[in-house]
Amino acid sequence: SSELTQDPTVSVALGQTVRITCQGDSLRSYYASWYQQKPGQAPILVIYGRNNRPSGIPDRFSGSNSGNTASLTITGAQAEDEADYYCESRDSGGYQYVFGPGTKVNVL
Amino acid sequence: EVQLEESGGGLVHPGRSLRLSCAASGFTFDDSAMHWVRQAPGKGLEWVSGLTWDSGRIGYADSVKGRFTVSRDNAKNFLFLQMNSLRAEDTALYFCAKDRGYSSFLGLEYWGQGTLVTVSS
Repeated sequence: SSELTQDPTVSVALGQTVRITCQGDSLRSYYASWYQQKPGQAPILVIYGRNNRPSGIPDRFSGSNSGNTASLTITGAQAEDEADYYCESRDSGGYQYVFGPGTKVNVL
Repeated sequence: EVQLEESGGGLVHPGRSLRLSCAASGFTFDDSAMHWVRQAPGKGLEWVSGLTWDSGRIGYADSVKGRFTVSRDNAKNFLFLQMNSLRAEDTALYFCAKDRGYSSFLGLEYWGQGTLVTVSS
């Protein structure tokens, strides 16, 4: 099965923009989904498909894709955006998922 | 309101078995693919297994293939995970998750709160 890679940690000043990247061969075939997870809580889907947000997700979250790289951008980061962010992609014919190792976003 | 409630976790000895259940409500269960995802203490997310609405397509992570079996009961709105030959590395919080798709996997839009499985002698 293929793998996804993410930077372990990124930091962003309050109100500034941060981009989190995810790389992997499967991203050439499938869009990434992105999940936010805060300590002690279940993950929440924030981006799926080409660049779609589920209901209730603020529009400061956006996604993009190019080649083997998917990106999640938070434009105007807020204190409540401090969390772990995981990318995920389909794999092996589309009936498996693979997660990236996660990126911890610190909002300074 | 979509609700997913996992149960069946606990402390089990290596080599033994455990069956997890997920009770689903608030949506049309047989309109959704469903999954199990786990998270070892202090670690990241790991997809374990998933199946389409009709169980026609089923997938497993390599780490559990041959030991775990996923199934669903669409009449009773339940998802199950039968875990055999458990190992210490299976220790994790196990989440039940609802897919956006029903005949394909399109992203995990709702998650339960998880049930903890601890494998230890």
